[in-house]
Amino acid sequence: QLQLRESGPRLAKPSETLSLTCTVSDDSFSSRSYYWGWIRQPPGEGLEWIGNVQHSGSSFYSASLRSRVTISSDMSRNQFSLSLSSVTAADTAVYYCYFSGAEPFVFDLWGQGTLVTVSA
Amino acid sequence: QSALTQPRSVSGSPGQSVTISCTGTSSDIGGYHYVSWYQHHPGKAPKLIISYVTRRPSGVPDRFSGSKSGNTASLTISGLQTEDEADYYCCSYGGGSNFGIFGGGTKLTVL
Repeated sequence: QLQLRESGPRLAKPSETLSLTCTVSDDSFSSRSYYWGWIRQPPGEGLEWIGNVQHSGSSFYSASLRSRVTISSDMSRNQFSLSLSSVTAADTAVYYCYFSGAEPFVFDLWGQGTLVTVSA
Repeated sequence: QSALTQPRSVSGSPGQSVTISCTGTSSDIGGYHYVSWYQHHPGKAPKLIISYVTRRPSGVPDRFSGSKSGNTASLTISGLQTEDEADYYCCSYGGGSNFGIFGGGTKLTVL
């Protein structure tokens, strides 16, 4: 059964880069037709789509975060990663990784999420 | 693009029905048949309960149903159960590579 798990530092300093990894539990990750991405939720606020990556390496990002975000994949480790640069307190959020099967705008399965706090 | 508009909270008693609205524009909800709904119990992983406006994934009870009219999508939960108490988020495709425009979320309280 497919499962996703986020990992990475829980604390980031202002102006530095936030980095998270999502580990995929089975070989679904090697499928060429799937999308793997990230969504976040600041405390007390709603959900915000960040972006996704495909097996091919193609990636798509939210227009509001595009200048600071990179999502990449490592097929050999069944992992994909999020990198968000120049973070501020506004980037404090629970970060969820997710899987999209047939279409990139349906988020079929999510990880439990991990809270990342941006603070000096 | 702006977030979709949902009521902050709704409530109902066990056995009753509630409907949660989600209002967007012709550039998102009104322009595509790609509205999905997610149930989120705080501290847990959000769960897909409706996709393509009306489609229920395997394992989601048929008490959950979706619909759309113009720029507004709706989620109806019938026969409310206590375990339905959660936050619910709508989401729409917004064209191009804008794959996820979310609503602000609605807290459902089952009284």
